[in-house]
Amino acid sequence: QQPVQSPQAVILREGEDAVINCSSSKALYSVHWYRQKHGEAPVFLMILLKGGEQKGHEKISASFNEKKQQSSLYLTASQLSYSGTYFCGTATGGNTPLVFGKGTRLSVIA
Amino acid sequence: DTEVTQTPKHLVMGMTNKKSLKCEQHMGHRAMYWYKQKAKKPPELMFVYSYEKLSINESVPSRFSPECPNSSLLNLHLHALQPEDSALYLCASSQGGLAGVDTQYFGPGTRLTVL
Repeated sequence: QQPVQSPQAVILREGEDAVINCSSSKALYSVHWYRQKHGEAPVFLMILLKGGEQKGHEKISASFNEKKQQSSLYLTASQLSYSGTYFCGTATGGNTPLVFGKGTRLSVIA
Repeated sequence: DTEVTQTPKHLVMGMTNKKSLKCEQHMGHRAMYWYKQKAKKPPELMFVYSYEKLSINESVPSRFSPECPNSSLLNLHLHALQPEDSALYLCASSQGGLAGVDTQYFGPGTRLTVL
């Protein structure tokens, strides 16, 4: 089952914050976040395993609420380099493949 | 080194041609994947090889034929493709098992155009 991402698109000015949500109708084992710039490969950002953890690196962090079957990606003090399409990929088990959401297109403007 | 390489970068082929896409990784990863990505859409899983054995085939038409000659190489053989098969084909690898736990590293992709 494909996870649902929201919003579909967002435009930010440099320095503003954003939250991207990813929710599933099925119980999740893990959530993986990727960013893809136009014409490039998806780049791994972080993985969250069931247990309700929160992770972060630099100004990008994420949370995973296992009970609500959803994850959120937090981008703070956005930079121009944050522009791209953000995908969440979800797995329902340790040995199941990822299913990606439709993506959230983030544009950061000066 | 977290690099996955793919060749060629671009490929144009006719519907009667036979061609192959190549993917290589030297990270010692034991799982390798083929994805298809259409413009403005997410990657869609096609095949997974785990420990050089085909473990998942997501009901992909037989005109796509994967091959894993060794743990570092993954090929996708193409034959009698249709124009709707035009897309970005992404290869990825992960350390072991399947992707529920492991990070997938993507290659730059091959942009395929079928005329």
